[in-house]
Amino acid sequence: EAQVTQNPRYLITVTGKKLTVTCSQNMNHEYMSWYRQDPGLGLRQIYYSMNVEVTDKGDVPEGYKVSRKEKRNFPLILESPSPNQTSLYFCASSSPNPGRSSGANVLTFGAGSRLTVL
Amino acid sequence: AQSVAQPEDQVNVAEGNPLTVKCTYSVSGNPYLFWYVQYPNRGLQFLLKYITGDNLVKGSYGFEAEFNKSQTSFHLKKPSALVSDSALYFCAVHTNFNKFYFGSGTKLNVKP
Repeated sequence: EAQVTQNPRYLITVTGKKLTVTCSQNMNHEYMSWYRQDPGLGLRQIYYSMNVEVTDKGDVPEGYKVSRKEKRNFPLILESPSPNQTSLYFCASSSPNPGRSSGANVLTFGAGSRLTVL
Repeated sequence: AQSVAQPEDQVNVAEGNPLTVKCTYSVSGNPYLFWYVQYPNRGLQFLLKYITGDNLVKGSYGFEAEFNKSQTSFHLKKPSALVSDSALYFCAVHTNFNKFYFGSGTKLNVKP
């Protein structure tokens, strides 16, 4: 089954303790991206990647890092989490890269990772 | 600044009645427009998109959306609502710079 898999689905951590949320897709998608969902704000893009070793900032990148060493994986790293990073996080992928053809652009989302930072 | 607005936090409609969920956008260039739906404890699912062409776009589950360039709107519609349509709906815009912008979401409640 074609899917985007995120782990963990739920996590409670403390301020300053580094954590990584993994994201993996099995559709050979080039484009991958991370979002956070907060009440009243909708989804905001954190980072995106056009392909292996190519990443760029979205709208709210502060406090986050990403890497794209393999095409299928796009982990989100919080080096020193803070309470304002408590949120619901979604990974999504798409192929080919958005904008290249009319058949593209549709994002496939993971089920979400609910993160609480105390 | 790029933005997407969904002016209604919640829309209530009776089953069988038509529904409209509103979306307006403010982005530079010619954006691609999308609607996604989110059911409880699930990720977002694609409903429909507008790239170019006819202003009325048909999508999944009987939903359609009307693109209006002069009003920069992309309202989601369905002629006859079902209770199972109750969910959170997001309008989204994709820009030329490979960024996506989402609205704040509208909760649709369809009552029997």
